[in-house]
Amino acid sequence: GENVEQHPSTLSVQEGDSAVIKCTYSDSASNYFPWYKQELGKRPQLIIDIRSNVGEKKDQRIAVTLNKTAKHFSLHITETQPEDSAVYFCAAAWGYQKVTFGIGTKLQVIP
Amino acid sequence: DARVTQTPRDKVTEMGQEVTMRCQPILGHNTVFWYRQTMKQGLELLAYFRNRAPLDDSGMPKDRFSAEMPDATLATLKIQPSEPRDSAVYFCASGGTSGTYNEQFFGPGTRLTVL
Repeated sequence: GENVEQHPSTLSVQEGDSAVIKCTYSDSASNYFPWYKQELGKRPQLIIDIRSNVGEKKDQRIAVTLNKTAKHFSLHITETQPEDSAVYFCAAAWGYQKVTFGIGTKLQVIP
Repeated sequence: DARVTQTPRDKVTEMGQEVTMRCQPILGHNTVFWYRQTMKQGLELLAYFRNRAPLDDSGMPKDRFSAEMPDATLATLKIQPSEPRDSAVYFCASGGTSGTYNEQFFGPGTRLTVL
């Protein structure tokens, strides 16, 4: 089955700096890579996703990159703000099959 | 704004008691997932259904856990008997297969505490 590794487990950045979270996956058949944000006590919410036929995708201050050869994908948050503080999960799936999540990264943005 | 709903939001029970958690997926979604979240293990997939049929329940302890979809608007997760190690937040998520891959929408979760 698919295995997703995520690092770092915790990340502290100063407000305004960039944050990068990295994930690797094991199943070369995976073709869908979503990222979820979970605020304390709340439900995980999809913030951005990328398909395997795309190398990069941006949405305002967040961007995801995918390297299929290396089986790596990353989340980049620029100009971080205190409201970006949360736990971020990467995930991988093939088609409509089950999604496998990483362990999560706790991001703290220091004002 | 369609959302997944879950009940109860919080449940405190004693070891050995039966616990039933309910989930109402977003209308029209044909895939339902049950996850358990703990600090130690993160988000673990327990089971998932498509068109009400169980596709994978390999993540679920079979001796005490059971998951069903009596109809398209209700999914249930039952623990009998409950144990303290079952204490966690249980999330239900639903998704569609109409060209959106596996985009999942999570419910608010049920926080279970087994004493």
